[in-house]
Amino acid sequence: QSALTQPASVSGSPGQSITISCTGTSSDVGFSRFVSWYQQYSGKAPRLVIFEVNKRPSGVSNRFSGSKSGNTASLTISGLQADDEATYYCYSCAHSNNLVFGGGTKLTVL
Amino acid sequence: EVQLVESGGGLVQPGGSLRLSCAASGFSASVHYMTWVRQAPGKGLEWVSLMYDDGSAGSAYYADSVKGRFTISRDNSKNMLHLQMSSLRVEDTAVYYCARVAINWPLDLWGQGTLVTVSS
Repeated sequence: QSALTQPASVSGSPGQSITISCTGTSSDVGFSRFVSWYQQYSGKAPRLVIFEVNKRPSGVSNRFSGSKSGNTASLTISGLQADDEATYYCYSCAHSNNLVFGGGTKLTVL
Repeated sequence: EVQLVESGGGLVQPGGSLRLSCAASGFSASVHYMTWVRQAPGKGLEWVSLMYDDGSAGSAYYADSVKGRFTISRDNSKNMLHLQMSSLRVEDTAVYYCARVAINWPLDLWGQGTLVTVSS
C-alpha cells in the first residue's frame, strides 16, 4: 500500500496551465480506470474535482481535466486562477479493495 | 442538506481507545460503501478503512497501518458509520474524515473531520 507519487509542488502564473502527475504501479493506477483527484484548501475537507480519470462532477470548472497513460495519471488546470491555489491529491482503487492516495501536490499561483 | 458529520475525536493516551462516529443526513448511507481517511498534521491523506454497503462480516477492509487495531462498523438503521480505534499510537494522531464512496470509487462527499490526538 505505497502512496502514489506526486511532485511536492508546482506553480504557475494566472492564465497559464499546469499539469500534476501521479505515478503508481500496475496494481493501482495502471490497474484501475477509477483514478480521481481532490482539491484541498488548508484546514478544509478535500473536494472531488475529477473522477474516473477524466470526468468532472457537477459544479467543477471545465478548466480541470484529467488523463492517464499506463501507470501515470495527470491533472491539468488551465487558465490558472488565484483560488486554484490549494493542495491536490490523486487517488486510486487498488487490488483487494485497498484505496491509495498520492502524497499531495501544493499548487502555488504566482 | 446532504452531509456527513464526524464526532468522537479528542485526546487519548498511547495504548488507549476511542470510537469515532459519522452521521449521514440527506441521503441513505445504506446504499453506499463508506470509508475513513485520515490526515496527520501537515501531512497528506491516508486511507484507513472501507466498509461495503451491507456492513456484513467480511465487507471491511483496512490499511496495513491500522489492521488488527481499528474496527469499522455501520448501523444502517441509524445512517451511522463508526470507527473503533484501540491500541492507539502517537502516529495515529490525525484529523479523521469519513467519506461516501460513489459508483466506481470516487469519494464524492466528505465530512468536516474530527481531530484525534494521541499523546501522554
